[in-house]
Amino acid sequence: QKEVEQDPGPLSVPEGAIVSLNCTYSNSAFQYFMWYRQYSRKGPELLMYTYSSGNKEDGRFTAQVDKSSKYISLFIRDSQPSDSATYLCAMRGGAAGNKLTFGGGTRVLVKP
Amino acid sequence: EAGVTQSPTHLIKTRGQQATLRCSPISGHTSVYWYQQALGLGLQFLLWYDEGEERNRGNFPPRFSGRQFPNYSSELNVNALELEDSALYLCASSPGTSTTNEKLFFGSGTQLSVL
Repeated sequence: QKEVEQDPGPLSVPEGAIVSLNCTYSNSAFQYFMWYRQYSRKGPELLMYTYSSGNKEDGRFTAQVDKSSKYISLFIRDSQPSDSATYLCAMRGGAAGNKLTFGGGTRVLVKP
Repeated sequence: EAGVTQSPTHLIKTRGQQATLRCSPISGHTSVYWYQQALGLGLQFLLWYDEGEERNRGNFPPRFSGRQFPNYSSELNVNALELEDSALYLCASSPGTSTTNEKLFFGSGTQLSVL
């Protein structure tokens, strides 16, 4: 079993819809949780960064962390075709130090 | 402000050869991380350097090695290339282990193809 599980998709939604993404993890030592967006042939770009449990909002993006369930989510409101990309969750903490553990990524396609 | 830069963008080698990949971190960042992103396997942690020292190493064979220079730039070397080494190699940088809010910023990667 992988340490971080993420549905690979693809997830196809119409423009304007809410995109809902999630990851589950097994390591209870993880304390920092991130979401990255990666366009084809580019490096990952940091979207959201949260510490411990709770919600964080930034523009159209909302990140949620539920440490009791070992479950994190990313919601994208009013989705645009430019949001079409692969979204990667990442997390770190405990003995891993600054090493990030990534999910496999979910490919999202927003259709005009 | 310039981001993380990697060179070359593409690299084509044959089996058994050696590859050298280079990374320049964001100005002021002292930590450099290397990740491998092979098709269908996601990002796999390779190496972490901070202040010129190797701090952590992923589950890769010793033919994957690297170093960090006094100006904090870094090099990843892959010896005795194998076909399965074909992947996008990503470098990331962060401010350093002295801070408690480390965020990693990635470059665009080097696409290594082993023929």
